[in-house]
Amino acid sequence: GAVVSQHPSWVICKSGTSVKIECRSLDFQATTMFWYRQFPKQSLMLMATSNEGSKATYEQGVEKDKFLINHASLTLSTLTVTSAHPEDSSFYICSARGFSGQANTGELFFGEGSRLTVL
Amino acid sequence: KNEVEQSPQNLTAQEGEFITINCSYSVGISALHWLQQHPGGGIVSLFMLSSGKKKHGRLIATINIQEKHSSLHITASHPRDSAVYICADATDKLIFGTGTRLQVFP
Repeated sequence: GAVVSQHPSWVICKSGTSVKIECRSLDFQATTMFWYRQFPKQSLMLMATSNEGSKATYEQGVEKDKFLINHASLTLSTLTVTSAHPEDSSFYICSARGFSGQANTGELFFGEGSRLTVL
Repeated sequence: KNEVEQSPQNLTAQEGEFITINCSYSVGISALHWLQQHPGGGIVSLFMLSSGKKKHGRLIATINIQEKHSSLHITASHPRDSAVYICADATDKLIFGTGTRLQVFP
């Protein structure tokens, strides 16, 4: 079945530094990927929709200059948390919609998630 | 905006029990996902359904569009089923329910 790989699975960084998280679709092309954030004991929240070759669409309340999303190829989207602060510590996870031929199957495949801790 | 609610929030069961998790939403949808999130955080999509019923192994998902309600059933539950189960409105952007934490004891 389709696989989405996310890297790194966990990262610890100092306040003020930037962290890049990668999301790759391993055996299919993903024109659209999604980035979510989950704080402890809370629901997943959609942060942004990453579109290959164009700008990402951010959800209300998500700072696009802080959470930079790049979707330069059909198999890779990256999320960069810039100037990270302790309140950015969270679980970040990506997903991609499955494709069969040219058709969007509607299925969702999730990365393993990245746990970010900002000291 | 669709309000997606799940019940119960927490559920404990003995191995072998039949489990039901409920999901209701406020606005009509075209598709709903059931997801399973393991303790480490990884998420697996269990079902995507827009009508009727789907079955995969010991898992059964049903949806009633008119009543704006979906259920996830687990037959013959097992400790390895312990996870958080999340329903999500997949009509456009995903809108997630609050999740149901299931613990199955041997």
